[in-house]
Amino acid sequence: AQKVTQAQTEISVVEKEDVTLDCVYETRDTTYYLFWYKQPPSGELVFLIRRNSFDEQNEISGRYSWNFQKSTSSFNFTITASQVVDSAVYFCALSEANDYKLSFGAGTTVTVRA
Amino acid sequence: DTAVSQTPKYLVTQMGNDKSIKCEQNLGHDTMYWYKQDSKKFLKIMFSYNNKELIINETVPNRFSPKSPDKAHLNLHINSLELGDSAVYFCASSPSTIEKYFGPGTRLTVL
Repeated sequence: AQKVTQAQTEISVVEKEDVTLDCVYETRDTTYYLFWYKQPPSGELVFLIRRNSFDEQNEISGRYSWNFQKSTSSFNFTITASQVVDSAVYFCALSEANDYKLSFGAGTTVTVRA
Repeated sequence: DTAVSQTPKYLVTQMGNDKSIKCEQNLGHDTMYWYKQDSKKFLKIMFSYNNKELIINETVPNRFSPKSPDKAHLNLHINSLELGDSAVYFCASSPSTIEKYFGPGTRLTVL
């Protein structure tokens, strides 16, 4: 069974601070996919990134970066120089190959104060 | 041009009523899903249909019944609504087991 743990329930930072969101996953499959989604106060789910299990290369997209480490089963997400618009709930999720289910972590609420 | 659409966006109803939420996707995907997000923001899959065939049916009360008239539509019918059914319901579609395209969500409030 697949499982995703986001141990941080809430994080509050002041604008321009960096914030790192932790995600630890469990799976028995050797092929799987990891995701991050953002859910702003408006409620929709915004896709941020997908990472394949066979590609451990870290990724940077603007102020967002992701650190994927298979050795520790972690897929952490960092927002650099946070802004008020980054305030949202962020979900880490896991999908195993040949399984239609997408399993979500409990989410981390990020509040960026001006 | 909306890829996955849901109607209504908000639904307020009394306990005991029966209600439906509709979902449509114009992406040509074979698979559609219903996810429930509870008051603690936890997201969990409820159902999935692939080419109109039910492939995932999680532990969901029988009061919830999905209906897929065709590949582009997956509706969720809920009988005898209870307070605990209050949640945000997300529809999604996918071309494979990997990517999921989510709708905007329907906020159901049961009074």
